[in-house]
Amino acid sequence: EIVLTQSPGTLSLSPGERATLSCRASQSVSSSYLAWYQQKPGQAPRLLIYGASSRATGIPDRFSGSGSGTDFTLTISRLEPEDFAVYYCQQYGSFLTFGGGTKVEIK
Amino acid sequence: QVQLQESGPGLVKPSQTLSLTCTVSGGSISSGGYYWSWIRQHPGKGLEWIGYIYYSGSTYYNPSLKSRVTISVDTSKNQFSLKLSSVTAADTAVYYCARGQGATWPWGQGTLVTVSS
Repeated sequence: EIVLTQSPGTLSLSPGERATLSCRASQSVSSSYLAWYQQKPGQAPRLLIYGASSRATGIPDRFSGSGSGTDFTLTISRLEPEDFAVYYCQQYGSFLTFGGGTKVEIK
Repeated sequence: QVQLQESGPGLVKPSQTLSLTCTVSGGSISSGGYYWSWIRQHPGKGLEWIGYIYYSGSTYYNPSLKSRVTISVDTSKNQFSLKLSSVTAADTAVYYCARGQGATWPWGQGTLVTVSS
């Protein structure tokens, strides 16, 4: 099983700031089968990024994904009030596993 | 657009079988191209993949749950279902259905299943 470790656990930032979230895999994720999700309280996760760097339909371009192999990053260029949420990475190169999540909170 | 909706009992007794159904609207399960997934989230915790199924009936399960999980599909009703046997309190979670076997989207709203006597 591929284990995904997300860091930091919590990120305290102000609106307008840049957020950088990390996801590290215990082994290489084949073909960059890595996705990112946003989850707000009481809601289902929403797909943001797939294939490590492709934005899902309707996702603003302030969200970007990068990385390959075992190290991946989600960047939110300028935080909007609606971006404060929990973010999960997911690999789907070998079945599916999720990271433990990073909470982006208002500072 | 495709929408998914989970349904089933919100309370299950320990040792019994949890049964949920996901109804798909706005698109056909039989059209192919996608697997259909079950994912759960323990209260206040992260996400755990349970398994997925193709319209043909091919299934893949999380090895950690495989001995207790059965996922089936009913194309005539445009539904797929989850059965989890011998449940314990550790199976208390919000259960989601979703389209896809990788980058999953869309998801249902989720349904809370509590295991308690």
